[in-house]
Amino acid sequence: ELKVEQNPLFLSMQEGKNYTIYCNYSTTSDRLYWYRQDPGKSLESLFVLLSNGAVKQEGRLMASLDTKARLSTLHITAAVHDLSATYFCAVDRSNNDMRFGAGTRLTVKP
Amino acid sequence: NAGVTQTPKFRILKIGQSMTLQCTQDMNHNYMYWYRQDPGMGLKLIYYSVGAGITDKGEVPNGYNVSRSTTEDFPLRLELAAPSQTSVYFCASRGPKDGSPGGNYGYTFGSGTRLTVV
Repeated sequence: ELKVEQNPLFLSMQEGKNYTIYCNYSTTSDRLYWYRQDPGKSLESLFVLLSNGAVKQEGRLMASLDTKARLSTLHITAAVHDLSATYFCAVDRSNNDMRFGAGTRLTVKP
Repeated sequence: NAGVTQTPKFRILKIGQSMTLQCTQDMNHNYMYWYRQDPGMGLKLIYYSVGAGITDKGEVPNGYNVSRSTTEDFPLRLELAAPSQTSVYFCASRGPKDGSPGGNYGYTFGSGTRLTVV
């Protein structure tokens, strides 16, 4: 059974600092997704990583995928308060749905 | 395009009552899904559908039913509501995964339905 583990689950960081969120998954998959959820809101797609070595960047966020290690990272550069949210990674399953990680709740403090 | 539309946004049910959560998408997506999200947790799949007339159970189907009579609509039915069904429910859809024109590899989510069973 596919398992998706994120760490850390909670992250408090100061503005201007860098940090990385990790997403490990247990079975072979070449597609990984990152979503953002603001409190009380729905999930918004951030990145779709479609192959080994894929790297995507949007503003202060950069996501990468290593399918051999079954690992994706979401790197935050020079954090700002607006990045405070919960970030989920998700992996495709063979029956066309996704398995989600538990989420990383990020708080960026001034 | 409206994307994925869920109604209602909020609902309070009494134990034993029933209700239907509505989900409609206007993107002609074949795949549709219902997830629940408990406080501070990730999403768990309740039911999914790969096309009109085809539905299947996810991880946590007990206490729920679905139907898919059209491509656009994928309602979720709660029978005999229980406090354990208090949650936020998200409907999602996705297009072809093969990169064909109009394909959308990831999910498009609805805005969610916050359900409380008392």
